[in-house]
Amino acid sequence: DGGITQSPKYLFRKEGQNVTLSCEQNLNHDAMYWYRQDPGQGLRLIYYSQIVNDFQKGDIAEGYSVSREKKESFPLTVTSAQKNPTAFYLCASSKQGKVSTDTQYFGPGTRLTVL
Amino acid sequence: GNSVTQMEGPVTLSEEAFLTINCTYTATGYPSLFWYVQYPGEGLQLLLKATKADDKGSNKGFEATYRKETTSFHLEKGSVQVSDSAVYFCAPRGNQGGKLIFGQGTELSVKP
Repeated sequence: DGGITQSPKYLFRKEGQNVTLSCEQNLNHDAMYWYRQDPGQGLRLIYYSQIVNDFQKGDIAEGYSVSREKKESFPLTVTSAQKNPTAFYLCASSKQGKVSTDTQYFGPGTRLTVL
Repeated sequence: GNSVTQMEGPVTLSEEAFLTINCTYTATGYPSLFWYVQYPGEGLQLLLKATKADDKGSNKGFEATYRKETTSFHLEKGSVQVSDSAVYFCAPRGNQGGKLIFGQGTELSVKP
């Protein structure tokens, strides 16, 4: 089955710890994205990557880091510098990042809770 | 910059009622327009999309028409089911591959 997988589904972290969220896709998509969703709100873009070995900051990149060493993988690290990391994190991918008609497909999400 | 305004929820309907969720947007150029649906605890699923003026997107009984003159993309369904209970997001995407812009979403609750 083709799709986007995110792991783990639930993640708990102590304050001051870094944590890495996994995102893998087997759709052969060039572009990948990370969004954050807070209760009752829409999605906000954290980082995106239109091609391997390249990525750009989104609207709320502070306290986060990413890498794109492989086409199918786009891990997100939530660092201790992120002041309020408890949220639902969604990864997405699309065939071509620069085409407006291109559809973004989403993974099932990871719910991060800071204890 | 680009923005989107959605009808505030929650919207509560009885089964088989008619649904409209309003969406208006501001964007430069000719954005593509998307509706996504999110079921509790899950990621977003594409519901439908339209990529140029007067296009109608449709899927699973839902429809939305790209109205450039009113910058709107209202979601409609003739007869909702309990299984349609979810949060719906309207999301324009600017031309030249701009990012998706999400509103706060509209929660729909359908009662039997």
